[in-house]
Amino acid sequence: DQQVKQNSPSLSVQEGRISILNCDYTNSMFDYFLWYKKYPAEGPTFLISISSIKDKNEDGRFTVFLNKSAKHLSLHIVPSQPGDSAVYFCAASALSQGAQKLVFGQGTRLTINP
Amino acid sequence: NAGVTQTPKFRVLKTGQSMTLLCAQDMNHEYMYWYRQDPGMGLRLIHYSVGEGTTAKGEVPDGYNVSRLKKQNFLLGLESAAPSQTSVYFCASSGLAGGTQYFGPGTRLTVL
Repeated sequence: DQQVKQNSPSLSVQEGRISILNCDYTNSMFDYFLWYKKYPAEGPTFLISISSIKDKNEDGRFTVFLNKSAKHLSLHIVPSQPGDSAVYFCAASALSQGAQKLVFGQGTRLTINP
Repeated sequence: NAGVTQTPKFRVLKTGQSMTLLCAQDMNHEYMYWYRQDPGMGLRLIHYSVGEGTTAKGEVPDGYNVSRLKKQNFLLGLESAAPSQTSVYFCASSGLAGGTQYFGPGTRLTVL
């Protein structure tokens, strides 16, 4: 039972345009949602997060939107740059038994074309 | 600043062999985690630790054991490797229970 889903395995966007990555979840107990970026042969790196009590968080070119009623979040990157080409993982967080447990989606491979 | 390091980077095992993966962090973090990543799937939590001397089971703990004898190190052991344990293993650490998790570069393990 996949609690966090990224239904698009890949996305191709032209440089300078907006990239929109989507994520759906099923568990309403998640309290934080995060996006991680991963380059080949490296570990995931934290990009941006949003609390379940907010609907938008912005950091430079990156904005995350949360729609709790639809159990959906999205990451907007604008403008997209070649260095943004990577795999993006959506993750949902639940604090239990004294630790933050992350549940990850399957990832979306973003390719930015010049 | 090394952050989170993992050794080895690559390993090939035969079925039934044992091995230990080492994770080290130099950020004085209390919390450490082991994940595995398989093709087409996200990272899944194997075991985690909320402090030196503690360990707990995550989502997919079967076939693995862990130890946290020192605050900076978190070891993941496979006592009798199986082909189903072929995966990329990531270690992560965080300073707070709800804090950002910082990941190591991963260990690619193949079990034949």
